[in-house]
Amino acid sequence: DTEVTQTPKHLVMGMTNKKSLKCEQHMGHRAMYWYKQKAKKPPELMFVYSYEKLSINESVPSRFSPECPNSSLLNLHLHALQPEDSALYLCASSRDRGPGAEAFFGQGTRLTVV
Amino acid sequence: GQQLNQSPQSMFIQEGEDVSMNCTSSSIFNTWLWYKQDPGEGPVLLIALYKAGELTSNGRLTAQFGITRKDSFLNISASIPSDVGIYFCAGQLRNSGNTPLVFGKGTRLSVIA
Repeated sequence: DTEVTQTPKHLVMGMTNKKSLKCEQHMGHRAMYWYKQKAKKPPELMFVYSYEKLSINESVPSRFSPECPNSSLLNLHLHALQPEDSALYLCASSRDRGPGAEAFFGQGTRLTVV
Repeated sequence: GQQLNQSPQSMFIQEGEDVSMNCTSSSIFNTWLWYKQDPGEGPVLLIALYKAGELTSNGRLTAQFGITRKDSFLNISASIPSDVGIYFCAGQLRNSGNTPLVFGKGTRLSVIA
């Protein structure tokens, strides 16, 4: 099973809304990631969690708040977003180290901020 | 920051033709990965390479990890319509799970039946 599950698949939210994106994996991976992808661009790293602790924050605005409740789950809490935050948000996971630490991606959440 | 130069940016080919794309870097990578992404979906891992000089196949796909560890190529033989999509190379500086991937800008493949 190499599946990373993301919900919802699509989300439309207003600039004053609060919403959350969810990600789940059951591969025993201890590294989990959030990426943002704009059209015709490669994925852009936002956050990395290693063993449920935030290890990398790529200078992401505080209106994006990640959370890792346990080793299988990763959330991204959204508040007061801007229209330019509309994008495909991808979750990924990988083993913690060594050969085979390649990242597996979920299907993404298509976010539209209105 | 690290950058990967991926080429070509786009390709239009006839069904049945072979395809080749590559990525180069000024930095040495320990892992090279090739992903395919369909519209509105997440990237799907095609091939992972871990050793310099390694040549790995996955069906009609073949990828190699360059000897210098600064480049990789992906070949697709006898292309079919479902090969359409964006192909990304990605490199990892260390074999550590929390080492972020560095992505190329992608090669957009169109197959004409």
